[in-house]
Amino acid sequence: DAGITQSPRHKVTETGTPVTLRCHQTENHRYMYWYRQDPGHGLRLIHYSYGVKDTDKGEVSDGYSVSRSKTEDFLLTLESATSSQTSVYFCAISDVNTGELFFGEGSRLTVL
Amino acid sequence: AQKVTQAQTEISVVEKEDVTLDCVYETRDTTYYLFWYKQPPSGELVFLIRRNSFDEQNEISGRYSWNFQKSTSSFNFTITASQVVDSAVYFCALSERTGGFKTIFGAGTRLFVKA
Repeated sequence: DAGITQSPRHKVTETGTPVTLRCHQTENHRYMYWYRQDPGHGLRLIHYSYGVKDTDKGEVSDGYSVSRSKTEDFLLTLESATSSQTSVYFCAISDVNTGELFFGEGSRLTVL
Repeated sequence: AQKVTQAQTEISVVEKEDVTLDCVYETRDTTYYLFWYKQPPSGELVFLIRRNSFDEQNEISGRYSWNFQKSTSSFNFTITASQVVDSAVYFCALSERTGGFKTIFGAGTRLFVKA
């Protein structure tokens, strides 16, 4: 299994509070991604990174920011959580040669 | 713009039937990659296959086969003699080489295989 861990795995928070999800990899892969999964929408790309300090927006980036200060960690921050951000969040890393994604186990976030 | 469309939201079949999951994509890149992933009820995402834009050869792996046609921008997935264990959500994905392997997914097709 690819060495990807997400934390926390479950979180319940209140509207307006900041939330940070962490993705940690031990594979030294260059590319990392954050997706959200919602019924009827599949997996939607939030942000991705193609190197340390190199990030770009995905399909649904509003309300989210990311940071990548070292290869192994990719942080997703909700500055002020809203109920519409209740979702399951998946981190993924990509093999630069094949583009195949390896996913973490997901983080379930509930915003009340 | 990069886009993946899986028009079939849910499909229900009886065991041993063949089933085809459709995937249509849009891209402006000439170099891109297409994928299928499976998400069983347990929730993990499992890689099934990858195709690059220069390889239109169809592929068969056991009961699974994939048909890639650039002319129609389609990458369809067929399960032959379906089994209950095939019940899952299947996602088609497109990765463009430019822009750092930005990978987007279709909305997924939920397959129910009944015994």
